[in-house]
Amino acid sequence: GESVGLHLPTLSVQEGDNSIINCAYSNSASDYFIWYKQESGKGPQFIIDIRSNMDKRQGQRVTVLLNKTVKHLSLQIAATQPGDSAVYFCAESYAGGYQKVTFGTGTKLQVIP
Amino acid sequence: IAGITQAPTSQILAAGRRMTLRCTQDMRHNAMYWYRQDLGLGLRLIHYSNTAGTTGKGEVPDGYSVSRANTDDFPLTLASAVPSQTSVYFCASSARGRPGNSPLHFGNGTRLTVT
Repeated sequence: GESVGLHLPTLSVQEGDNSIINCAYSNSASDYFIWYKQESGKGPQFIIDIRSNMDKRQGQRVTVLLNKTVKHLSLQIAATQPGDSAVYFCAESYAGGYQKVTFGTGTKLQVIP
Repeated sequence: IAGITQAPTSQILAAGRRMTLRCTQDMRHNAMYWYRQDLGLGLRLIHYSNTAGTTGKGEVPDGYSVSRANTDDFPLTLASAVPSQTSVYFCASSARGRPGNSPLHFGNGTRLTVT
């Protein structure tokens, strides 16, 4: 069945280092993927998205990589800062799943000053 | 600041009571959604509305109802609260009718405890 999961529930990173958060998905028909950041007590915040016709997309300090062969998604954060500490989760959807978005349960990123 | 406003921020509710969670957006988005977030389960869709005047059921609609009288407001009502409805509720909107086409914009949530 469909699933979106994260390999690491908690990730600790030294300030200034790069962070990589991974996500696996099982629905090969998924065509749209989003990374969200959720700080404590707040709602999820959109970070970056990517469609299935792309392998890589870059934003400000963030890069999303999509590997459709192994159904894997990753979020890379460059020069991680204390403000990056949050829970990150991916979401996936597909053209045939109107309103159907599957969210992962999240990875907590802890930035060590 | 443009975005989604939810009220109340938190609420403790006795089982059997009726409760309406409010949600207002000022981005003029057509589509709005209600999700619940439970530890270990991720976000699950309760109800959605593609445009004012229309609503639809998500994956966990039982015990909840919604209305969409205008573009900006999308209240969620629990007719008779039960403890299993203890959760954090998020209202969201998107510029397009499918959350699979554009990212969701979320409010900061309502933390509901049903005793």
